[in-house]
Amino acid sequence: DVQMTQSPSYLAASPGESVSISCKASKSISNNLAWYQEKPGKANKLLIHSGSTLQSGTPSRFSGSGSGTDFTLTIRSLEFEDFAVYYCQQYNEYPYTFGAGTKLELK
Amino acid sequence: EVQLVETGGGLVQPGRSLKLSCVASGFTFNNYWMSWTRQAPGKGLEWVASITNSGGSTYYPDSVKGRFTISRDNAQNTLYLQMNSLRSEDTATYYCTRDGDYGPFDYWGQGVMVTVSS
Repeated sequence: DVQMTQSPSYLAASPGESVSISCKASKSISNNLAWYQEKPGKANKLLIHSGSTLQSGTPSRFSGSGSGTDFTLTIRSLEFEDFAVYYCQQYNEYPYTFGAGTKLELK
Repeated sequence: EVQLVETGGGLVQPGRSLKLSCVASGFTFNNYWMSWTRQAPGKGLEWVASITNSGGSTYYPDSVKGRFTISRDNAQNTLYLQMNSLRSEDTATYYCTRDGDYGPFDYWGQGVMVTVSS
């Protein structure tokens, strides 16, 4: 199975700041990497697929980069609505696997 | 608007069975692969099963293979997850997801809780 190592587990930031979340795969997954946002009481939201392609409706302050084994989610100019939990997921091969999540908290 | 609504969760004893349903609306159901993903309390996400748009092929991780069965009724726009021989470690919120055009899950339901306990 492809192990997805996501870091950091927790991140504290203020509105207006920029943050980055890392996701490393245990072997190459090409660019078959997605990022999701989880918020209480809301359905999980697909933010980015194919490593760097914004899903329709994802604000442009979100960006994704990387291919192979190393990926990064960057959020520029944080807004209050961005404080949530973020997960990466590889869909290159079964079993699909997720990172452990990053909780982005308000500083 | 795409909607995925799961039902069928609840408390079940170890070794017993439970069947989850997910009613889909707002898109052409039989054009899309569908999946189930779960999240144990305080834990991360785990993919549980996937099914092709026709229902002809299914996929599972080893953790549920042989115990869980994913199926669909395209006439009723409904996805199912039959869970047999349930274990305490199957306790989780189960999410119905649509497999998007590019592979990952582009829509998620709100989830249904399954608790396996005596």
